[in-house]
Amino acid sequence: IVLTQSPDTLSLSPGERATLSCRASQSVNSFYFAWYQQRPGQAPRLLIYGTSDRATGIPDRFSGSGSGTDFTLTISRLEPEDFAVYYCQQYDSSPRTFGQGTKLEIK
Amino acid sequence: QVQLVQSGAEVKKPGASVKVSCKASGYTFSKYYIEWVRQAPGQGLEWMGGNYAQKFQGRVTMTRDTSTSTVYMELNSLRSEDTAIYYCAREGISGGFFDYWGQGTLVTVSS
Repeated sequence: IVLTQSPDTLSLSPGERATLSCRASQSVNSFYFAWYQQRPGQAPRLLIYGTSDRATGIPDRFSGSGSGTDFTLTISRLEPEDFAVYYCQQYDSSPRTFGQGTKLEIK
Repeated sequence: QVQLVQSGAEVKKPGASVKVSCKASGYTFSKYYIEWVRQAPGQGLEWMGGNYAQKFQGRVTMTRDTSTSTVYMELNSLRSEDTAIYYCAREGISGGFFDYWGQGTLVTVSS
C-alpha cells in the first residue's frame, strides 16, 4: 500500500492549527494506521496509533482521524517543539509502509 | 522506563557485512517483538521486516538473544545504497506500529 502525504511542506506560525493529510492507494483498516513525529537528528516518536489513539505522553493538541483511504493528523495549536517532520504508517497489510513525510516548518 | 540502546556508527566497504545490536531494557523482553526500520540520508522511513525482507534478497538476518535482551540485524554484501541510519523499534502490544525506538545507528558504505 502506497501512502502519499500532503503537503510536502507546511509553513505555519506558533499558535496556528495544522492539518496534515495521508492518502492510501487502497483502503486501510482504521485500526491499523499510525502517525510519527521526527525532529532533526532524532529517532521517530509515535504520536497516534489505531487512527485516533494517542500514544503515552502525547499532548491532547495532537489528534488523528480518518477511514478508508484518507487519514488526517491535526495539531490544534502549534508549539515551537512541534515543528518537525511527520510520517504516516499503515500496518494493515505487509509490507508495512510509511508516507514520504510532511515537513512542518515555522513561517 | 523502556529503552532501546543501539551499537555505534559503522563504516564499511562495498561487499562487506555489518551487524547492528539493539539492547532492550525497562520491560519484559519476551512479550514484544523488535523490528528494524532504516532511513537513507534525507529520505523517509523503510521497514525491513517480515516479507519485506525479500527485498534484501536474502542479505539480511535478524536474530535475538533473550539472555541479554538484545536483538541483532546483520546485513551482508553491502552496497552504497545501504548507507542509512538503522533504527530498532519495539512493536506495540496490539501489533504493527512502533511505540519505542532506538537512537539509530549510522551505517556508511563507501570504498
